[in-house]
Amino acid sequence: EVQLLESGGGLVQPGGSLTLSCIVSGFTFGGYTMSWVRQAPGKGLEWVSAISAGGDNTFYADSVKGRFTISRDNSKNTLYVQMGSLRAEDTAVYYCARDNFDPTGYYYDYWGQGTPVTVSS
Amino acid sequence: EVVMTQSPLSLPVTLGQPASISCRSAQSLVSSDGNTYLNWYQQRPGRSPRRLIYKVSNRDSGVPGRFSGSGSGTDFTLEISRVEAEDVGVYFCMQASHWPHTFGQGTKLEIK
Repeated sequence: EVQLLESGGGLVQPGGSLTLSCIVSGFTFGGYTMSWVRQAPGKGLEWVSAISAGGDNTFYADSVKGRFTISRDNSKNTLYVQMGSLRAEDTAVYYCARDNFDPTGYYYDYWGQGTPVTVSS
Repeated sequence: EVVMTQSPLSLPVTLGQPASISCRSAQSLVSSDGNTYLNWYQQRPGRSPRRLIYKVSNRDSGVPGRFSGSGSGTDFTLEISRVEAEDVGVYFCMQASHWPHTFGQGTKLEIK
């Protein structure tokens, strides 16, 4: 059974930092690109960042570029995102998701349950 | 990035009645390979999102036949022929034709 479990969310002050983790099981972690997707209160989903299977390529939404760093440890089946210079608008539930690309197209086929991040003083 | 606009944002429906959700993109979702990568996701309360429809109108494995997708170019629709209690949740469209991939705001379906 595929499982993705996020952790590390919480309350942080504006300008602060936080690191989220996502530990996965049930598939060959090192064979897939992985993403972070967030959902602000009352808003839609927003793709945040992605990292290639080997970790050598990373991608960021403009809204977090220069402030967030995605990484992975394939030996530990774990995905990370280091979030810095946090702003109120970063408040959201953060999901890790597995990227997939097949004849049906590009999509996120497995998601975690999400970890909430609140940026507030 | 491609802005995706859904309507309505809230959809109260009587059990057994049909439901329809619109999704419009700011630019054509026809990809350079000729495909239109428009997905629909369902997010039930307390659950992670699950893809229902891919490439506009194709149902994923296990998705009930009452769900259907249609559309082309910039205008797309998700229809539920007869709403059941288990359909309560939020529905998102997502485009994967252009990078970065973007989502609609979500439509909350509830039982009237």
